Amino acid sequence: LAKTTQPISMDSYEGQEVNITCSHNNIATNDYITWYQQFPSQGPRFIIQGYKTKVTNEVASLFIPADRKSSTLSLPRVSLSDTAVYYCLVGTLSGNTPLVFGKGTRLSVIA
Amino acid sequence: DTAVSQTPKYLVTQMGNDKSIKCEQNLGHDTMYWYKQDSKKFLKIMFSYNNKELIINETVPNRFSPKSPDKAHLNLHINSLELGDSAVYFCASSQVVGGELFFGEGSRLTVL
Repeated sequence: LAKTTQPISMDSYEGQEVNITCSHNNIATNDYITWYQQFPSQGPRFIIQGYKTKVTNEVASLFIPADRKSSTLSLPRVSLSDTAVYYCLVGTLSGNTPLVFGKGTRLSVIA
Repeated sequence: DTAVSQTPKYLVTQMGNDKSIKCEQNLGHDTMYWYKQDSKKFLKIMFSYNNKELIINETVPNRFSPKSPDKAHLNLHINSLELGDSAVYFCASSQVVGGELFFGEGSRLTVL
């Protein structure tokens, strides 16, 4: 079973900032939080990963509160090409358990 | 260079047939996976191999048989295909189990 809960879908207009929140109440001490993006007819691809506080890269930011029971993926100034399904996953980086995908959040960006 | 490549990309076949999907990765990763994505878009892990050894075998009918001839290849053979096998099958690899996943483009299987 997936260890995360996300909204099923979200809509946004171009140019807006989009925040997708993921709940992971049972996150383990050694678990990291990873987000993947999947475009139609493609495999998922890695966006960002973090353990605590804030992580930022050229694509997104990831905010993780102190209790780590949730996390928020922030996409700045989305464009139509950001329309995709976004998956939040939790797991250890070198354990014996592969990452389990939940249902993801379908983001639709509107012009 | 494509990091994870799968063939064929599309496969249409009749019920009862046997088919194979091949996967190759040139990333030097130790771990490879097969995921199944059904019509509802749920992405479920099927198998995982680490250094050619099967380490994860989720609840999958034994009609599905993975084979890993070497670390860079993981093939999926399906016997006696059923309508419910229609899905997109994704191959993926990672340096370690649970590490960042690199996916192929998927193989869309349609069983008629």
